[in-house]
Amino acid sequence: DTEVTQTPKHLVMGMTNKKSLKCEQHMGHRAMYWYKQKAKKPPELMFVYSYEKLSINESVPSRFSPECPNSSLLNLHLHALQPEDSALYLCASSQGLGGANVLTFGAGSRLTVL
Amino acid sequence: AQSVTQLDSQVPVFEEAPVELRCNYSSSVSVYLFWYVQYPNQGLQLLLKYLSGSTLVESINGFEAEFNKSQTSFHLRKPSVHISDTAEYFCAVILGAGANNLFFGTGTRLTVIP
Repeated sequence: DTEVTQTPKHLVMGMTNKKSLKCEQHMGHRAMYWYKQKAKKPPELMFVYSYEKLSINESVPSRFSPECPNSSLLNLHLHALQPEDSALYLCASSQGLGGANVLTFGAGSRLTVL
Repeated sequence: AQSVTQLDSQVPVFEEAPVELRCNYSSSVSVYLFWYVQYPNQGLQLLLKYLSGSTLVESINGFEAEFNKSQTSFHLRKPSVHISDTAEYFCAVILGAGANNLFFGTGTRLTVIP
């Protein structure tokens, strides 16, 4: 299995809703990432987990709450989002941290906040 | 400061013509360089990477890129493009062996014209 699987593929939510994005990999990778990609823009790093511990938080608002329940799963909990949070959310994984570790990306979850 | 620059936001090219997508980086430390491709409404796929060793790297679908340290470049080339190569191409860099953030360029939209 060489894939990163993200669910759901599409999500529409109101500003008062609570929802979650899920990411799963079975490649034995110990680092997992969340990226946010706005339309016609490059992906921007949000969070990095290493060995299930939060390693990097790129000053992301608290309405985004990551969770890494085990080495294969990464969740992004969403609450009280704003319309400007509408974007493609990409999950990625790598064997470890550090420059030589190649990131494998999922297909993304496209989020629309009404 | 921008770590990686893609000067061309859009590159139209006729089918079976050659193409070069330019990428320049700024760093005084060791770098790890990548090209990712994003087809419409999809996630990112790794096209090729330079970690060390030979400065010329190739992908399985005919693309190649050359790491040029003196010119701080990692341009992507293909001698003959196909309609199916139409996509967004992102150059990305990790700065230093201990770094964990993959910085993306702003992307180049390659459109292959029949």
